[in-house]
Amino acid sequence: DAGVIQSPRHEVTEMGQEVTLRCKPISGHNSLFWYRQTMMRGLELLIYFNNNVPIDDSGMPEDRFSAKMPNASFSTLKIQPSEPRDSAVYFCASTPSGWTGELFFGEGSRLTVL
Amino acid sequence: GESVGLHLPTLSVQEGDNSIINCAYSNSASDYFIWYKQESGKGPQFIIDIRSNMDKRQGQRVTVLLNKTVKHLSLQIAATQPGDSAVYFCAEGPSYGKLTFGQGTILTVHP
Repeated sequence: DAGVIQSPRHEVTEMGQEVTLRCKPISGHNSLFWYRQTMMRGLELLIYFNNNVPIDDSGMPEDRFSAKMPNASFSTLKIQPSEPRDSAVYFCASTPSGWTGELFFGEGSRLTVL
Repeated sequence: GESVGLHLPTLSVQEGDNSIINCAYSNSASDYFIWYKQESGKGPQFIIDIRSNMDKRQGQRVTVLLNKTVKHLSLQIAATQPGDSAVYFCAEGPSYGKLTFGQGTILTVHP
């Protein structure tokens, strides 16, 4: 079975450019989470959706970050404009209803902003 | 235990030994406690969870212990194997799914 699919796996961009990260959750999962991982701050929850609706976006760093989930099989995380401090690995995770604590993570998108 | 910043705690064991990884959590209101394993270049992978109304739960080769009095969580891995080498994260959260992850512990298993 396919797991959570993220793209791109690696992205290098210059400061000021727009970055769009994509995620396809596991089919049938109705909750989707975006996490960011850095050495300094560890894994941080940015935003999560339930049934395509954003439930908690309190972890989104600032207005430069936005996330959408137009349907049950696709989500995007956009950074505009990007800054060097946004360099991190961004993970998408999904989970079925009746949440038990098991998040299914994708392989991550490693972003480097020069 | 957990640390902040660049210096993750490390644990080195010999293959076949038992490993114990510790975690101090912060929110006494958390209802779920979960251990995740992250191998290099991959996303975290669920290992085992425990709810706040329990103090021990066993899985295959793993046991999680919860001490709510001192807000301490531990993961015990029996007969540790080289494939267990990874970064281990504890996470806590309320029932609706918002997890807060610890900084992680690096486990290295020597053959």
